[in-house]
Amino acid sequence: DAGVIQSPRHEVTEMGQEVTLRCKPISGHNSLFWYRQTMMRGLELLIYFNNNVPIDDSGMPEDRFSAKMPNASFSTLKIQPSEPRDSAVYFCASRTTPGLASEQYFGPGTRLTVT
Amino acid sequence: DQQVKQNSPSLSVQEGRISILNCDYTNSMFDYFLWYKKYPAEGPTFLISISSIKDKNEDGRFTVFLNKSAKHLSLHIVPSQPGDSAVYFCAASGKNYGQNFVFGPGTRLSVLP
Repeated sequence: DAGVIQSPRHEVTEMGQEVTLRCKPISGHNSLFWYRQTMMRGLELLIYFNNNVPIDDSGMPEDRFSAKMPNASFSTLKIQPSEPRDSAVYFCASRTTPGLASEQYFGPGTRLTVT
Repeated sequence: DQQVKQNSPSLSVQEGRISILNCDYTNSMFDYFLWYKKYPAEGPTFLISISSIKDKNEDGRFTVFLNKSAKHLSLHIVPSQPGDSAVYFCAASGKNYGQNFVFGPGTRLSVLP
């Protein structure tokens, strides 16, 4: 298996532009997570899905952030409009069998820079 | 308020010696704990886990110890190797957290040759 796939790996954009990050989870995994890593706050959960349904989006910073999972093999995280403080590394992770203790598998991350 | 704390931002250890990374948590509802390792420009990768019904779990050079009364866990790496140099994240989960893990801020381990 190729693991969790994220694209793009790097994104540089200007303040005010829309940014879309993409994730393909591991086939067969039921849960998908979006994280953001910054120096100040470490690794923080933004939102997670079970069986394509958003379960907890309390970590989404504000209305400028939105996430979708139209099917079991694809998810997007959109920021509109983007701001310099959104600069961070965004990770997608997936895991199998909701409700049981098992580890999450992380993608390589997307490094976002908003100028 | 951080529910999972790693109070040492960095740690340096000589190759061949023991590395001990510490993690404290505040929520007594956590019952499953994991350690992840992260290299630069890569996503975190799972290293080892422990359930609250145990106090020790070992996998090769890596051992995790859990002290529930102190709400403390530690990761021991013996012997440490230069390839172990990475950022180590402690994470916790519990029945009230569904599939979510709460991550600590990480500890950067440097193993010196």
